[in-house]
Amino acid sequence: KAGVTQTPRYLIKTRGQQVTLSCSPISGHRSVSWYQQTPGQGLQFLFEYFSETQRNKGNFPGRFSGRQFSNSRSEMNVSTLELGDSALYLCASSFGPGGGNTEAFFGQGTRLTVV
Amino acid sequence: AQKVTQAQTEISVVEKEDVTLDCVYETRDTTYYLFWYKQPPSGELVFLIRRNSFDEQNEISGRYSWNFQKSTSSFNFTITASQVVDSAVYFCALSEADAGNMLTFGGGTRLMVKP
Repeated sequence: KAGVTQTPRYLIKTRGQQVTLSCSPISGHRSVSWYQQTPGQGLQFLFEYFSETQRNKGNFPGRFSGRQFSNSRSEMNVSTLELGDSALYLCASSFGPGGGNTEAFFGQGTRLTVV
Repeated sequence: AQKVTQAQTEISVVEKEDVTLDCVYETRDTTYYLFWYKQPPSGELVFLIRRNSFDEQNEISGRYSWNFQKSTSSFNFTITASQVVDSAVYFCALSEADAGNMLTFGGGTRLMVKP
């Protein structure tokens, strides 16, 4: 059974550009969550999608957005990149709608560097 | 609001020593879930354990054990006879029952096991 796949693994972008990251969850999983990991702020929740609907959103500016497709694959987009957006972006896949009764499986992340 | 605190930012031990990683949480919910994840250098978070708030029974899995105490809001993780392969960053996380799959992470504890 394939795990969570995130593409690309590494990305270098210039300030002001936009970027799209992709996440393919484990087959059969309908929930995808996104997290940002930085040395200063740690792991922070961005948003969660379940059956193509955003269910929760973290405290991030509107430049951060996402979506989920009917096959459960998800993309997140960051517009007008800032240096502070440099981070490891992790995607998590879960089977059910949540309540904590299922574990989240994480991908290896996309390392975004903004120069 | 929920919060997870891992007071130990870095721990260094010699192989075969026992080590305990501390985790203290805050939540107003009576139903919640606690998790431990391991993050090796490759970046992905590896699920270790999930505990719900109604189950205070301690758990042992091989060299790993977990002590959940609601009275002190703690969910500590002990590695017995540590090995070099245990070197990683370990995260404690909390999910509230009505928060979908959203995880609130602690700051992480970097464990270094020296031969």
